[in-house]
Order: sequence, then structure tokens, then C-alpha cells
Amino acid sequence: EAGVAQSPRYKIIEKRQSVAFWCNPISGHATLYWYQQILGQGPKLLIQFQNNGVVDDSQLPKDRFSAERLKGVDSTLKIQPAKLEDSAVYLCASSGDRNQPQHFGDGTRLSIL
Amino acid sequence: AQSVTQLGSHVSVSEGALVLLRCNYSSSVPPYLFWYVQYPNQGLQLLLKYTSAATLVKGINGFEAEFKKSETSFHLTKPSAHMSDAAEYFCAVSVSGSARQLTFGSGTQLTVLP
Repeated sequence: EAGVAQSPRYKIIEKRQSVAFWCNPISGHATLYWYQQILGQGPKLLIQFQNNGVVDDSQLPKDRFSAERLKGVDSTLKIQPAKLEDSAVYLCASSGDRNQPQHFGDGTRLSIL
Repeated sequence: AQSVTQLGSHVSVSEGALVLLRCNYSSSVPPYLFWYVQYPNQGLQLLLKYTSAATLVKGINGFEAEFKKSETSFHLTKPSAHMSDAAEYFCAVSVSGSARQLTFGSGTQLTVLP
């Protein structure tokens, strides 16, 4: 089966600019996660979707981050405006249901200048 | 809330030697535990998982881990290291009622010396 697809793989922007990341989960996976992985740290959950509804966004900095999954399939994560501390790898993961392991994409590496 | 501590941010072993990566967890309810591996510029790949069945869990690539409730540990081992095992390894925990959200440790970078 095809894995979790993410794009772009790399992005370089200046602070205060906006950026968007896209994720297409494994076909049929209802649950989708976005993680932020800062260099030298483990991934930290930003937001979890079940189909097109938000399950948990308690760790999403909502003043600058937003995410959507309008049709319950692919998802977009946006940052506006970006800050230097947003430099990280943004990972998308999906699972068939909450009891199944999460499958991860290769991530988008964001660098803020 | 649950948490994970990985002891040793960097571990070096010789090729053919035993690999031991340490993970301790904290959880007020029975946990599910996972080990993931991350190769450079890639996402995380599941090595193995513990879900309250057998305490000794076997995973891919010859890795295994043992759940020890009394020690709140879930250490990852492999009898003989291979050069291809060089990567970063993450231990993670999730609990029932948390929508199976994963809480990750800070990772252990494994270097395999020839």
C-alpha cells in the first residue's frame, strides 16, 4: 500500500512569512495526526483529526497555526506568521483507527531565516 | 499524564555487539508502549509495540523489548548490531482514553562502529 505522502519535503522562508504543508494519509485511514519535531527532540503532537473532525488541538499554537481536513482525507497545516522557533520537521501520521499503530510520512523540514 | 524518559541521547556499539537502548515510562494507567526508528531525512518506522499481551515483544530487524511493570521500563535490545542499525530510536507511550495519542521520548542516536 502507498504510504503517507507529504509535501514539500523542504521549505525555507523568512520570519513573518506564511507557509503551508500538505499531507495525504494512507487510503482508508480515518485518523490523521500532525507532529512538530524540533532538532534533538522527539515528535510533539500538534493536532489530531478523526475523519474531518478535530479530536485534540490543545497543543496547537492557534494564534499562528491552523489545520484543516475538509473532506476527511488529505490535510493542510498552515503557519502564519512564522517565527524563528517554528524551525522544525513537521510530520504527518495516519492510522486506521485509534487502536492501530500510526504510520508516518517523511516529513517537511522547515527552516526560518 | 504519561511521559517517557530515554536514558542516553547517544549510544555507540561495535558491529556485532549487543544493542541496549533504555526507556522508562510514567503512566497512571496501563500503558501501550512503542519503539520507533528514524533514519536521516525520513519519518518514523514502527519497530515493535507492547499492548498488554506478552511482556517480551519481538519486532522487525531482530529487535525485541521487554515490558517490566515493576521497573516501569521497556528497554530495546538486539543481540548483534549491524551497520544498518545506525539511526535514531524513539520510545513512545499511549494510554486508553487519550485517543491513543503518542507521547515520545527525546530519542537515542545509535552509532555502530566497524
